[in-house]
Amino acid sequence: QSALTQPASVSGSPGQSITISCTGTSSDVGGYNYVSWYQHHPGRPPKVIIFDVTNRPSGVSDRFSGSKSGNTASLTISGLQAEDEADYYCSSYTRITTPLYVFGTGTKVTVL
Amino acid sequence: QVQLQESGPGLVKSSETLSLTCGVSGVSITSNWWSWVRQPPGKGLEWIGEIHNSGGTNHNPSLKSRVTISIDKSKNHFSLRLSSLTAADTAVYYCARHMSGFNSFEYWGQGTLVIASS
Repeated sequence: QSALTQPASVSGSPGQSITISCTGTSSDVGGYNYVSWYQHHPGRPPKVIIFDVTNRPSGVSDRFSGSKSGNTASLTISGLQAEDEADYYCSSYTRITTPLYVFGTGTKVTVL
Repeated sequence: QVQLQESGPGLVKSSETLSLTCGVSGVSITSNWWSWVRQPPGKGLEWIGEIHNSGGTNHNPSLKSRVTISIDKSKNHFSLRLSSLTAADTAVYYCARHMSGFNSFEYWGQGTLVIASS
């Protein structure tokens, strides 16, 4: 099972909106609504910001939103802030193939 | 407050076995699934495997039969053993607790860097 495909980098100015894509297959992203997104600042553990495609854990800013169309999931960050500069990883759970959890290749978000 | 903390050697010789423990506080380990995830330097995250308090496990087949994950309810911790280490196993290793009822990793340890040296 290959890693899910994400763009290596995305950038935007403060206040702008950016979108990160996460492309898999019908066996993972497309087959289930089990996509999560993680924010990862260097030297700190990853933090879940979206689960089950569109849900935000308690305490996560509503500037983060998730969606899915076919085999591609997306994370949108609205009102970009300096603190959003980090690596972002998508992840999908699958019952069909192994490994059960596959991560994306990661996207470096830069706030200009 | 749920807290996870990885512990183990930071340097392991190639061909030997890595042993890490994840100490859990603030919640009983007899609930949820628990996973190990790693990140090689400059690379992305990779799921290693998971364990349930019942003892059921699943692991990433890319690691073949080198992975053993166990749980110790009396000590409220779970462990990872990875055998036949190579340089490719050099990574930051994280332990994580799954989100209750969902297929996502909610709580993470700080991570521990393990270097496989020759």
